[in-house]
Amino acid sequence: QVQVVESGGGVVQPGRSLRLSCVASGFTFTNYAMFWVRQAPGKGPEWVALIWSDGTNRFFAESVKGRFTISRDNSKNTIYLQMNSLRAEDTAVYYCAKDRGAWSGDNWGQGTLVVVSS
Amino acid sequence: QSALTQPPSASGSPGQSVTISCTGTTSDVNNYNIVSWYQQHPDKAPKLIIYEVSKRPSGVPDRFSGSKSGNTASLTVSGLQAEDEADYYCSSFAGNNNLVFGGGTKLTVL
Repeated sequence: QVQVVESGGGVVQPGRSLRLSCVASGFTFTNYAMFWVRQAPGKGPEWVALIWSDGTNRFFAESVKGRFTISRDNSKNTIYLQMNSLRAEDTAVYYCAKDRGAWSGDNWGQGTLVVVSS
Repeated sequence: QSALTQPPSASGSPGQSVTISCTGTTSDVNNYNIVSWYQQHPDKAPKLIIYEVSKRPSGVPDRFSGSKSGNTASLTVSGLQAEDEADYYCSSFAGNNNLVFGGGTKLTVL
């Protein structure tokens, strides 16, 4: 059974950093790209970042480019989202999702809430 | 403001069909057959129900179907059931390794 579990969310002050983790199981992790997608309260989802299966390519939304980085440890079936210089508008539930191919996420975690507030 | 435009609401009675539109531009929906649809129930994660415009993942009922014409993609839910009441979101590849979502449509089963 495919499972994706995010962690690391919390309340953080503007300008500070936070690292999210996502542990996957139930599928061959090294075969799949992985996404981070966020959803602000009452809003639609917003794609944040994608990392290829081997970690050689990483892509970011313009809204987070230069502030967020994505990485993965295939030995631990885990991806990470390092978020620096956080802003109030980064407040959202952050989801990790497996890319089934063609930029579509077919298995999502339950999400982890990030609140950026002073 | 979302990159893709969806109507904020849609409704239908049990057994009826309803279609939800998703309008983009020549840079996204029109240019790529990489449109997905997600269903999201309250306080739950989105669930993929359509990918590559019209394909259904295993386990998704064939009551859900997708199509595309020009800049507009559509999701049709046939034989509406109570459990179909949810928010629906479209997404499209937009080139330059970028993915865009719609603002969502709240589907009400009357």
